[in-house]
Formats: sequence, C-alpha cells, structure tokens
Amino acid sequence: DAGVTQSPTHLIKTRGQQVTLRCSPKSGHDTVSWYQQALGQEPQFIFQYYEEEERQRGNFPDRFSGHQFPNYSSELNVNALLLGDSALYLCASSLEQVLNSPLHFGNGTRLTVT
Amino acid sequence: AQSVTQPDIHITVSEGASLELRCNYSYGATPYLFWYVQSPGQGLQLLLKYFSGDTLVQGIKGFEAEFKRSQSSFNLRKPSVHWSDAAEYFCAVGFRRNKLVFGAGTILRVKS
Repeated sequence: DAGVTQSPTHLIKTRGQQVTLRCSPKSGHDTVSWYQQALGQEPQFIFQYYEEEERQRGNFPDRFSGHQFPNYSSELNVNALLLGDSALYLCASSLEQVLNSPLHFGNGTRLTVT
Repeated sequence: AQSVTQPDIHITVSEGASLELRCNYSYGATPYLFWYVQSPGQGLQLLLKYFSGDTLVQGIKGFEAEFKRSQSSFNLRKPSVHWSDAAEYFCAVGFRRNKLVFGAGTILRVKS
C-alpha cells in the first residue's frame, strides 16, 4: 500500500522563478492538503483540495496556487519565488468520508530559493 | 483563535527513562487532537489521535497521551525511551475538514 509520494525530493530555484511540486496521495485517499515548513518551524497550512477544487486556504498569498487531478494527485505552484519561500513543502492526504480522517504525510520537497 | 502551545522547545532524557511532552490547546469546540513525530528531513508520522471517548489513547511505538479537558492539555507519554525516539514531536489540533494547526514542536534528545 503506497503512502503519500512527493516529487522532487529537493529543488533549487532562483528568486523570481516559478516552481511546481507534485504529490500522489495514499491509495484510497481523495483529499490533499499542502503545508509549508520553514526550517526550525512547525508546518503551516497552505490549502486543501477536494473534488479538484480548492476547498480551504491558509494565510498565503496568491503566488501559491494548486491543482488536483481526477486521479486525486495534486500540484503546488509557486510564482515569483522569494527567498522566504525556502522551506520543506509537505503534502498530506486523507479520506473525506471519514470524519477527521488523520492526515498521512509525504516526506516533503525541500525547496531552496537563492 | 485556535492555537497549540508546546512549552518545551528541547527535552533531554536518558535512555530507559520515562518521557512526558506537554501540549496545551486553545479551541472553542471539542478538539480533535494529534501527536506527530518528525525525524530530520522527513515527513510527519502520526503517533496517535484523540477524537472522543476514552481520554487515554494508545499510539504506535509505545506512546500514549491523555486528554484533560479541564486543563486543555493533551500530553504525550512513554514509560521507557529508546535512542531511536530522538526526533521532533508536534502536537496538533484538527478542525474544519482536517485543517491542522500545529504547535511549535519539541525536540527530544536521548542520551545513553
């Protein structure tokens, strides 16, 4: 039973560039959430996707956008990268029909912006 | 506003000693509470969760946590710590369709 998989594992970008991160949820899960974890900090909620729509969003600018595909996989896009966007980006999946289904996290994508 | 407080940034315990990591939350409704563990450079692994019912919940790797509504606490415990338990531990409150709010984390060091 495959867990949550994220790609790539590491990424280095330059300020002003754009980046796309990818996530495949745990088998059977239909909801994908994205979190940003700056070095030494706790994860912060970016947004959540269900039925291919953004359902709720944290306090992140519009530079952060996403997408969910019919197979439930998801992408996180960040435009106009800033140095402060350097972080571990975590994808988590859950099952909508199970009340407060625990989130299963991937190992993350480490993004470095130079 | 919902918040989670983990008052201890670092804790060091000897291998074989007992462990208690503290977590306090602020939330208006019945909380859904979680403990996650994170090894360096890795994702988060769920240790245990509390939704309702028995206030003492058992998790993986020998961990347990007790929900105390009167104290707004959900402390994590383990009777005997192993060197492999060294990691960072996050307490989290879940609400509104599985959105999690995390505490700042506690880094556990285990000395032999």
